[in-house]
Amino acid sequence: DVKVTQSSRYLVKRTGEKVFLECVQDMDHENMFWYRQDPGLGLRLIYFSYDVKMKEKGDIPEGYSVSREKKERFSLILESASTNQTSMYLCASYYPGVGNQPQHFGDGTRLSIL
Amino acid sequence: SQQGEEDPQALSIQEGENATMNCSYKTSINNLQWYRQNSGRGLVHLILIRSNEREKHSGRLRVTLDTSKKSSSLLITASRAADTASYFCATGSLLAGGTSYGKLTFGQGTILTVHP
Repeated sequence: DVKVTQSSRYLVKRTGEKVFLECVQDMDHENMFWYRQDPGLGLRLIYFSYDVKMKEKGDIPEGYSVSREKKERFSLILESASTNQTSMYLCASYYPGVGNQPQHFGDGTRLSIL
Repeated sequence: SQQGEEDPQALSIQEGENATMNCSYKTSINNLQWYRQNSGRGLVHLILIRSNEREKHSGRLRVTLDTSKKSSSLLITASRAADTASYFCATGSLLAGGTSYGKLTFGQGTILTVHP
């Protein structure tokens, strides 16, 4: 089974801090994704990556950046955290090689910005 | 952008009853997927149906897809208390150039509560 591990289940930070959320997958998947999930809004794509050092903006990239230095690790960075970035953050990985495939999700990081 | 619209937003049933959730979408798709999310956890993939398929089964799950109406339904038969969760539909589409990167667009979800 694919395992996607997010480094923290819960995180509390202060406004203005630089925040790093880490995600690691163990199945050599090329593609990785970062979403945020808010009540009533479902999952919204922040950024995704289709290869090492390659990234694409999703629907809501403002205030975020990402880093993919190694294939297994995809980091989400909040450059200067703000209270409206309080949310549940979900990471997912995907193997594009064989037809239609699902995404595999981590357990999420619930981030609170005070 | 949220392509999938799910209906109902919340569903409350008794154990043993069937649960039906619906999903509508706006643009052409390559596939449609259903995921489950237990409270405070990540999403777990349930079933994928391709755009050229009309119905798919997996255990107590039955998914239908009507591309002419741009809609899908998820039926859970003989529900159990352990089925209590949020259920999301997600659509995958091909981008220009024929690739997708596996990108999905998620609906807002249906909260299912199954009472023992």
